[in-house]
Amino acid sequence: GAVVSQHPSWVICKSGTSVKIECRSLDFQATTMFWYRQFPKQSLMLMATSNEGSKATYEQGVEKDKFLINHASLTLSTLTVTSAHPEDSSFYICSAPTGGGGAFFGQGTRLTVV
Amino acid sequence: RKEVEQDPGPFNVPEGATVAFNCTYSNSASQSFFWYRQDCRKEPKLLMSVYSSGNEDGRFTAQLNRASQYISLLIRDSKLSDSATYLCVVIPPSGSARQLTFGSGTQLTVLP
Repeated sequence: GAVVSQHPSWVICKSGTSVKIECRSLDFQATTMFWYRQFPKQSLMLMATSNEGSKATYEQGVEKDKFLINHASLTLSTLTVTSAHPEDSSFYICSAPTGGGGAFFGQGTRLTVV
Repeated sequence: RKEVEQDPGPFNVPEGATVAFNCTYSNSASQSFFWYRQDCRKEPKLLMSVYSSGNEDGRFTAQLNRASQYISLLIRDSKLSDSATYLCVVIPPSGSARQLTFGSGTQLTVLP
């Protein structure tokens, strides 16, 4: 079964609205989670690292005011896309690192902004 | 030069065929290597780690060539269910899982 649960799996929203995506670690604690974005036929691009109890670390070129990340507990990280626009339409995936250097991924959220 | 490069394909092969993918990486000091599989509109799932000595898991064989800086994935006796995009993942020298670097993926379609 899934060890990282991501919600919702898909969402359609109007331009200008905000969308919250949740990422939960199941049966384990994740002090760090990662948020990726993937456009069609492209690789996963790391957007930010979510740190429990402290501010997220954003990758270069990612607007922190637009992509709000909150890691309020050891099992939950949220990504809020604020004032979404059609160009924000993408596949967003969270992950939690494994001990072996890899990662467990959430199921992904397909966001469509109309 | 991209940090991780893969032939995007698509590779269209008949059922039962053997197919191989390569992935090159630019940082010679990279530490860890993985192959992930991603089905359409789904999250990536770990297929196998790649060890220096090479490793095999059923029909799948992964190899690492540090001298030429590439890793490979060989799939024998292809099944229809093997159709997916295969992502090469590299962790550079700092070793943090934060820095999983993904290739853009190689698309495989196994035909009946």
